[in-house]
Formats: sequence, structure tokens, C-alpha cells
Amino acid sequence: DQQVKQNSPSLSVQEGRISILNCDYTNSMFDYFLWYKKYPAEGPTFLISISSIKDKNEDGRFTVFLNKSAKHLSLHIVPSQPGDSAVYFCAARATSYDKVIFGPGTSLSVIP
Amino acid sequence: DSGVTQTPKHLITATGQRVTLRCSPRSGDLSVYWYQQSLDQGLQFLIHYYNGEERAKGNILERFSAQQFPDLHSELNLSSLELGDSALYFCASTTGLAALQETQYFGPGTRLLVL
Repeated sequence: DQQVKQNSPSLSVQEGRISILNCDYTNSMFDYFLWYKKYPAEGPTFLISISSIKDKNEDGRFTVFLNKSAKHLSLHIVPSQPGDSAVYFCAARATSYDKVIFGPGTSLSVIP
Repeated sequence: DSGVTQTPKHLITATGQRVTLRCSPRSGDLSVYWYQQSLDQGLQFLIHYYNGEERAKGNILERFSAQQFPDLHSELNLSSLELGDSALYFCASTTGLAALQETQYFGPGTRLLVL
């Protein structure tokens, strides 16, 4: 039972355009969400997060939107750059449990 | 560089064998998490240690075990290896007990290939 889903295994975007990566979750106990970015041969690195008390968090070119009623979050990257090409993992956490649940990842390719 | 180190980077072994993966957390971090990433899969949480004590278990097989030592480094032991155990194994560390808003710092991973 996959509690965190990323239904698009891959996404291709032109440089300068917007990249939108989607994530859905099933567990209503999740109250904190994170996005991690992973380059080949490296471990994931934290990108941006959002608490369930907010619906938007912005950090430079990266914005995460949370729709709690739909149990959906999205990561927007504007403008996309070739260096953004990586695998993006959505992750969720609940204060009641001591673990983070990761989605399967979406591989983003930004084409110059 | 996250400050988390993992050794070895690559490991090739045969079915039925036993291997040990090692992780050193960032300086000052007390928590170590282990994850498995198989082909086309997300990061599957295996186990969490905090200051030497096991705190949470995920989808960890009985053939797998872990421990965290007094110097806070951790080892993941995989025994009776099967072909399906071939995967990337990551460890991550945090300062505390995965408190709210505390992000995890990941090591570069150990790639295990079981032949």
C-alpha cells in the first residue's frame, strides 16, 4: 500500500518553462511534506518543505503547493534550468510516527 | 557534501552471503536512518536508530539487522542474500528524533549487487 504516490515516473520540460511535479498521499495523519532532489550517484538532498498548516511555501525558483482536501501537493520550478534535471522525491511525515514515507520519484529532464 | 559517509560505495557478492554496510552520520547527529531503493522504487524505510537505540522499524526483512555504536556510526547487516536484495542502500542522519521540520541528510549510498 503506497501512501505517497508520484504517478508520473518522468517529465520533460523545455529550459525556461515551468516544471510541475505532482504528489498524492492517502494518509490524513501526514502533517509535514518534503521534496528531495537526487542526482545520479548521489544521495537525495532536501529541497523544500511545507507544513500542513500552510498551503504554499516558496524558496527562490521553487514553490510547493498543498491541497489538504485533495491530499495533493505539487512542486513548481520556474524557470526550469538544465541543472534541475534530477529525480524528485516527494515525502511525508506524521508527528505520530517516527519515519518518513517517500514516493517513488519523478525523473525530470530539462531540455536546453 | 552532506557530511554523511557510507562505505563501501559498491559491493558485489553472491547469493547466500552476508555483507555489512557502514554509515557515519554528520558530526553531532544522533539519529541514523537506513533506506533501500530498488530499481524503479522509492526509498523504502528500513530502520531508525537514535543514540544507540532502535526507534522505529519499517519494511525490514528478518535477514537484515542494524546497530548503532557508541561513536554513533551505524552498520546494516544483510545476510542470506538473495538476488532481490540488489539495491541502493542509503543512510541519513538528523540531529534529533525526527522532530517536526527536521530534514534528513543523506549519504551517497552503497550499491549492492547480488549475483
